[in-house]
Amino acid sequence: AQSVTQLGSHVSVSEGALVLLRCNYSSSVPPYLFWYVQYPNQGLQLLLKYTTGATLVKGINGFEAEFKKSETSFHLTKPSAHMSDAAEYFCAVSSPSGGSYIPTFGRGTSLIVHP
Amino acid sequence: DAGVTQSPTHLIKTRGQQVTLRCSPKSGHDTVSWYQQALGQGPQFIFQYYEEEERQRGNFPDRFSGHQFPNYSSELNVNALLLGDSALYLCASSRLRGGSPLHFGNGTRLTVT
Repeated sequence: AQSVTQLGSHVSVSEGALVLLRCNYSSSVPPYLFWYVQYPNQGLQLLLKYTTGATLVKGINGFEAEFKKSETSFHLTKPSAHMSDAAEYFCAVSSPSGGSYIPTFGRGTSLIVHP
Repeated sequence: DAGVTQSPTHLIKTRGQQVTLRCSPKSGHDTVSWYQQALGQGPQFIFQYYEEEERQRGNFPDRFSGHQFPNYSSELNVNALLLGDSALYLCASSRLRGGSPLHFGNGTRLTVT
């Protein structure tokens, strides 16, 4: 079985401050990991993904995430927040089950950016 | 290159009615998955279609059914609607191979009164 825990349903930062969104996962086999962003009234857009190889993954819009197997974590960071980063962020884990890879999503973290 | 398109964007139905939602996948994608997203929650997996067959199903009752057509487009049908079925229904397309990311449409907002 696989699961995702996103710590903090809301994270509030000032514009220009560091963004840190936390994600811990549970999986019985090495998983694929994803971060998605959802703006109001839209679907989810892929920010970045970890498959194999380098544990620090760079994504779009200046975001990056680090896969730490020992901590079963995949936290999302951005050095300097912009107002346009305000959105809902979802972490997802995908590992094989019955021959398929079906991502399981966390409950999401709402990022609030103050001017 | 068109992405994933869903129709309609909004729908209002009454309890007990039936609804059909439609999805066209991104060009080059052969797999379609449907998710239900309740307000303030993450997407919950309903089912996945590949080669016109249901490959995997989440924890949803048989009132939820689907179909995939030869052109890879898909439909989600919900019978005997309940108030609790009110949600954003998201269609996502991908390639079947493991690790292939999902590409989402903007969803259909279903309200059941």
